[in-house]
Amino acid sequence: GAVVSQHPSWVICKSGTSVKIECRSLDFQATTMFWYRQFPKQSLMLMATSNEGSKATYEQGVEKDKFLINHASLTLSTLTVTSAHPEDSSFYICSASSAGATYEQYFGPGTRLTVT
Amino acid sequence: QKEVEQNSGPLSVPEGAIASLNCTYSDRVSQSFFWYRQYSGKSPELIMSIYSNGDKEDGRFTAQLNKASQYVSLLIRDSQPSDSATYLCAPNSGSSYKLIFGSGTRLLVRP
Repeated sequence: GAVVSQHPSWVICKSGTSVKIECRSLDFQATTMFWYRQFPKQSLMLMATSNEGSKATYEQGVEKDKFLINHASLTLSTLTVTSAHPEDSSFYICSASSAGATYEQYFGPGTRLTVT
Repeated sequence: QKEVEQNSGPLSVPEGAIASLNCTYSDRVSQSFFWYRQYSGKSPELIMSIYSNGDKEDGRFTAQLNKASQYVSLLIRDSQPSDSATYLCAPNSGSSYKLIFGSGTRLLVRP
């Protein structure tokens, strides 16, 4: 149980274009989803938290107009990187959590984005 | 002071030994504590969760929690080369769903 998928697993795009990443909880309803970014040899950095049907809450320093997050249903959240630049190249990972007080997060396999 | 502190390692142990990974955290309100394993180039995988003081065992893994000392640890018995990975300690932040991740301890199990 508690399987989270991400699509695509890797993507290469040109500078200035937009890229959409999907995150799905396959066998549970995810009331809360999280988006992280991880640069090589660094720890996870939380970008934003989203609850189904609500606007995402962004961490300090994360541009909400650049990283658009939509959590339209209890099983799907999307992250769109708009006007991507080479410095946005990173490993983007989503996680999902279901309602309850245990706070467990289950991670998707991640999406490796390269902006050329 | 970092919110979650872990020794970056690498912690090198021989195959079959016990690996002991430690973590201290600063948020006294944290209620849930997790250990994630992350292989190089992969996403984190939840391996243990602990919510109350004491020990919790699951197979070769034992998590230990001491809220008074703000300390949580992970023991891996009979370590295998496949256990070589970075282990992330993650308490929840206050009463929210956010997790605070440590920078991780890299474990190397020598055959």
